[in-house]
Amino acid sequence: AQSVTQLDSQVPVFEEAPVELRCNYSSSVSVYLFWYVQYPNQGLQLLLKYLSGSTLVKGINGFEAEFNKSQTSFHLRKPSVHISDTAEYFCAVSDPNSGYSTLTFGKGTMLLVSP
Amino acid sequence: DGGITQSPKYLFRKEGQNVTLSCEQNLNHDAMYWYRQDPGQGLRLIYYSQIVNDFQKGDIAEGYSVSREKKESFPLTVTSAQKNPTAFYLCASSSMGEDFYEQYFGPGTRLTVT
Repeated sequence: AQSVTQLDSQVPVFEEAPVELRCNYSSSVSVYLFWYVQYPNQGLQLLLKYLSGSTLVKGINGFEAEFNKSQTSFHLRKPSVHISDTAEYFCAVSDPNSGYSTLTFGKGTMLLVSP
Repeated sequence: DGGITQSPKYLFRKEGQNVTLSCEQNLNHDAMYWYRQDPGQGLRLIYYSQIVNDFQKGDIAEGYSVSREKKESFPLTVTSAQKNPTAFYLCASSSMGEDFYEQYFGPGTRLTVT
């Protein structure tokens, strides 16, 4: 079974600073990768996804992520964060060879942006 | 606007009672999912369904049941057998086309059992 590790449970950062949220997954076979964002007491919203092609993926709200197959990582980055980016971020993986569309999620990283 | 509706947003029940959480989607998606979220635990898959009248257990199905009688609806029943039912429950759906793996989420239902 696949697993996803988000190395930091909380990341505090000042407004306008860059940020990187780390994600590693267990499988070295082909995978689909996703980052979702959750604002308090709400559902999840897709930020970006990697299915194939370019390893640098751009998403909404200025976020991007880089797929690194050799390191089984899919870290999320933003060059300059805003207060409104304060939320919980989830990395997720899916196995395209399973025939099922289920996702395995990491435990989440809370991004705390302060002025 | 297309989307996923979960009702109610907050739900309170006494221990020993079964409770059913509603999930409706008008996205014409074939696949639907139920997740449980606990603080610091991420999302864990309870049940999923890829077609009407068929569903599969996820990682933590014990104490839960589902039905899928209509394409747009996937209700989840939390039974009295679920030892720790207090949690935030999220419903999601996805199409069976090229966006098969992209799941869209509802706003969630926070269940408190005392």
